[in-house]
Formats: sequence, structure tokens, C-alpha cells
Amino acid sequence: GAVVSQHPSRVICKSGTSVKIECRSLDFQATTMFWYRQFPKQSLMLMATSNEGSKATYEQGVEKDKFLINHASLTLSTLTVTSAHPEDSSFYICSARGDKEGYYEQYFGPGTRLTVT
Amino acid sequence: GQNIDQPTEMTATEGAIVQINCTYQTSGFNGLFWYQQHAGEAPTFLSYNVLDGLEEKGRFSSFLSRSKGYSYLLLKELQMKDSASYLCAVRDSNYQLIWGAGTKLIIKP
Repeated sequence: GAVVSQHPSRVICKSGTSVKIECRSLDFQATTMFWYRQFPKQSLMLMATSNEGSKATYEQGVEKDKFLINHASLTLSTLTVTSAHPEDSSFYICSARGDKEGYYEQYFGPGTRLTVT
Repeated sequence: GQNIDQPTEMTATEGAIVQINCTYQTSGFNGLFWYQQHAGEAPTFLSYNVLDGLEEKGRFSSFLSRSKGYSYLLLKELQMKDSASYLCAVRDSNYQLIWGAGTKLIIKP
């Protein structure tokens, strides 16, 4: 299957600072990337969907000025958590979708554990 | 609205068989996925159903009935490593994945 990497896998930052998370599709071109957040013992929550070269579409309740998403190329998307607060501590997972005729599979990165102190 | 229902938690015995059910109501249907997620890790793909019937892949099988809005994941010969959350997700008419809350499966020796 296709491989998606995420970096960093874990990050601890102080309240008020910004953190950037990278998501890369290693062996396919990802026309669409998804960013999810998952709190302990809860399901995945879609934050935003981004298509290469265009602005991300944010889900209701997700602050686009706080969670900056850039999908600059077909293999790289970044999520920047700006002015992070302890309530932003969560598991952030990216997912990439490459188009195959008639079938669109989503491949997940390994996730990034963010802890804001 | 769109809704995916699956049991919150199930317990089974090592070596046994367990069936995890999923019912859905979505805006359109373009396939149903099952993912496995171990604690602290990202989901991994298990199966994909778009037509009615049973898809078998080793110890795991997935069934779909589109008319009933129903699917199940069947795990045979359970192993301790199968302890994980199992997520049901439906792809809607916009090709977006709608996620269930996941079923935590606990395997006992």
C-alpha cells in the first residue's frame, strides 16, 4: 500500500508558541489531504480537507486562523497550530488520497502527539 | 444528518470469533471501510465493501447490505494482538469519509 509519513511523531511545546506538522505522501501523488484530530478514547474528527494548490476547507467549529493548512505540492501538506494552548493537546493525524480510477483510498500517516504545557 | 452507529465496546476470548456491527445513514454511498486502530497509533486499513456480500481476507471478513445500511466485520481465531479499536467509515456522495465512533475490542486469554 501507499506510504504517508508525518513529522514530528511527538512534540511538546509551551503555551503561546506555534507548532508545524508535516505530512508527506512518499510514493504517490496526493491530490487531496485530510487533517484529523483525535482526543483520548474518541473517534477521529475531521478538521479540514485540502487540495493541492488551493485553500483548505475547514469543518464547522475549526478555526482556520488557528490551524493553518498549506498544501503546496502533491506530496506535502503542513498543519501549523498557532498560539497553541493546553486544550490543543491531541493526536493529529493526516491522511492522503490519491486517485485511482473508480476508487479513492485514503492512506493515513502515523500521527503526531502534541502536548502543550 | 449523517450517522454511523457501532457498539462502544466488545469483549471476546482468544481463539474465538467476534462480529462487530455497523449501521449507517449517509448522504449517498460510495463504499464502506473498516479500519483497525491500536491505542496511540493511526488507523490502518482492513477492508473495503462497495457491493453487497461478503469480502474475506484471511482471518478478517467484512459484509455489506446496502439496502439495510448495515455492515459487519468478522474476526476469526482471535489473537491478543487483535485488541484494538475498529472503526467503520462510509464514503458519502462527496467522497468524504464519515466515521463511526469506533468499537473497542478487548480480547481475554
